[in-house]
Amino acid sequence: QVQLVQSGAEVKKSGASVKISCKTSGYPFTSHYMHWVRQAPGQGLEWMGIINPRNGNIPFLQNFEGRVSMTRDTSTDTVYMELSRLRFEDTAVYYCAREGLLASGHTSAIDYWGQGTLVTVSS
Amino acid sequence: DIQMTQSPSSLSASVGDRVTITCRASQGIANSLAWFQQKPGKAPKSLIYVASSLQDGVPSRFSGSGSGTNFTLTISSLQPDDFATYYCQQYEIYPWTFGRGTKVDIK
Repeated sequence: QVQLVQSGAEVKKSGASVKISCKTSGYPFTSHYMHWVRQAPGQGLEWMGIINPRNGNIPFLQNFEGRVSMTRDTSTDTVYMELSRLRFEDTAVYYCAREGLLASGHTSAIDYWGQGTLVTVSS
Repeated sequence: DIQMTQSPSSLSASVGDRVTITCRASQGIANSLAWFQQKPGKAPKSLIYVASSLQDGVPSRFSGSGSGTNFTLTISSLQPDDFATYYCQQYEIYPWTFGRGTKVDIK
């Protein structure tokens, strides 16, 4: 079955960087785009961006002032999201989420989610 | 960016009630609309894609409708497991955007 297993919680100082992993299994890694979504405490969902695991291309990244990068490792079927120059307001749960595929082969909505990684930024 | 407006922001209902949540897009998105359910402390769960198709394993009491700018999520007979927050999301145009959520709690 499809599984997205994320790395554990992180506590970081303001100004530091954090890199979160999302290890996939149960499907062909390069066949589905991967998204990152975050959720600040008590708030709604915020879409961050998308990576194509086949070639590492980033079709779109939200404007985080160049602080976000997304990469992948096809040897381990893992995608990564790194957020640099952390600020207090980056405290959130970060989710990786797989984009589905329609029977036609066209891309579709998010169908599977990782369990989330809590990133806490302290001063 | 496309703005997604959900209403109501919260509602109270009883087991067995029919519940309807609406989502309006600030511009046309065809049927590129998804719905998610989230319980406290848990990852979201995907419910519906292309506005009206159920993800695998989602009970048939959930249904979605709409196209263009106006969409609805309906729960035909609310069950105890359905008390949660529901989000819509458009995936027609980057950046993908979510509604602010509708919290469904027990009356």
